[in-house]
Amino acid sequence: AQTVTQSQPEMSVQEAETVTLSCTYDTSENNYYLFWYKQPPSRQMILVIRQEAYKQQNATENRFSVNFQKAAKSFSLKISDSQLGDTAMYFCAFMKRRGAQKLVFGQGTRLTINP
Amino acid sequence: DADVTQTPRNRITKTGKRIMLECSQTKGHDRMYWYRQDPGLGLRLIYYSFDVKDINKGEISDGYSVSRQAQAKFSLSLESAIPNQTALYFCATSERPGQGYTFGSGTRLTVV
Repeated sequence: AQTVTQSQPEMSVQEAETVTLSCTYDTSENNYYLFWYKQPPSRQMILVIRQEAYKQQNATENRFSVNFQKAAKSFSLKISDSQLGDTAMYFCAFMKRRGAQKLVFGQGTRLTINP
Repeated sequence: DADVTQTPRNRITKTGKRIMLECSQTKGHDRMYWYRQDPGLGLRLIYYSFDVKDINKGEISDGYSVSRQAQAKFSLSLESAIPNQTALYFCATSERPGQGYTFGSGTRLTVV
C-alpha cells in the first residue's frame, strides 16, 4: 500500500518570503502522479500543482513549483513571494497510474503567511 | 452552480441516528469518491464508485454505506452515527487518471 508523509504539521512565514513544504511517499509503483492541494479556511479543496512521475522536469504553476526527487521519493512544494491568500492547509497526495484512481493523502501542513 | 454539490453543508446529529450525506455532480464523470478528513490524519477514502453497478470499499468503510442512484448522484449513509464519525466529509469526482479530483465543498458532520 502507498503511504504519504508530511512531516511539518505547521509552518509560518512572513509575507513575500519563500517557503518549502515537504512530502515523502512510499510506493513500489514506477508510474504514478503526485499532487498538492490547498485547503483555505473556506475548506474547499483546490488543486495547486501536479507532477507525472515519468516526467523528469519539475512542474511549475506561477509562484508554485515542486522539487520532485523520484529516487528519494520526495515531492516538496515551494511557494515563492508568499501572499496572505496562501494561508491554508496544504495536502500532498499520490495516485497510481493504473487502477481505481484513488488519491492517498498526507496528513497536511498548516501554513500561515504573516503580514 | 458548483460542479460537485454536497448537502448539507453542516449537520449536527445525535448518536444512534441514521444520516445521509448527498453528493451530485454536473461534470459527467463516472468515478466518484467519498473521503473523510480528520485533523492530523489528512483525507481517507471511505467508498468509491465507477458506475451505478460498481461500488467499492475504501480503507475505512466500516460504519458507512453508499448508494449510487445515477451517474450524477452518490450518497453516503451512516446507519447509526457515533461520535468518532464526527469529521469533514468530501465527495469528489474524477475524469481520467492523473487529472486529480474535483471536490465538493464538504459536509461538516458533528455527532453528539
